[in-house]
Amino acid sequence: GENVEQHPSTLSVQEGDSAVIKCTYSDSASNYFPWYKQELGKRPQLIIDIRSNVGEKKDQRIAVTLNKTAKHFSLHITETQPEDSAVYFCAARQAGTALIFGKGTTLSVSS
Amino acid sequence: DTEVTQTPKHLVMGMTNKKSLKCEQHMGHRAMYWYKQKAKKPPELMFVYSYEKLSINESVPSRFSPECPNSSLLNLHLHALQPEDSALYLCASSQELITEAFFGQGTRLTVV
Repeated sequence: GENVEQHPSTLSVQEGDSAVIKCTYSDSASNYFPWYKQELGKRPQLIIDIRSNVGEKKDQRIAVTLNKTAKHFSLHITETQPEDSAVYFCAARQAGTALIFGKGTTLSVSS
Repeated sequence: DTEVTQTPKHLVMGMTNKKSLKCEQHMGHRAMYWYKQKAKKPPELMFVYSYEKLSINESVPSRFSPECPNSSLLNLHLHALQPEDSALYLCASSQELITEAFFGQGTRLTVV
């Protein structure tokens, strides 16, 4: 089955800096890669996703890149703000199966 | 309605109790999921229903019993749980198994 590794487990940045979180996956059949943000005590919320036929996707300050050959994908947050502080989970899925999550990255943005 | 709604929000139950968690969505999604999340850990898949049929059962103990009465509802029946089953139980839904999944706010379960 699919295995997703996520790094780093914690990340501290200053407000305005960029943050990058990286994930690798094991199953070359996986074709869908979402990122979720989970604030303390709340549900995971989908913030961006990418499919395997696309190399990069951007939504305002958030971008995701995918390297299918190397089987890794990354989340990039620019101009970080304190409200970006949360746990971020990457996930991977192949068609017909459910999401498998990475272990999460706790992002702290200090002002 | 773009929400996945879970009830109750909090549940405390004894090890001999029987209780049920409920999940509802009115987005016309045909895939629904149960995940279990322990503190500081990622969501862990338990069950997947696709078109009201159990599609995936991730070797979950029989004290957890899922049910999908119709395309909008998903239940998780609990019986004879252990304290280590205390966790946040998250329901999610997606239009199909291949599309993006949206989570409910979860039920915080404590087994005493």
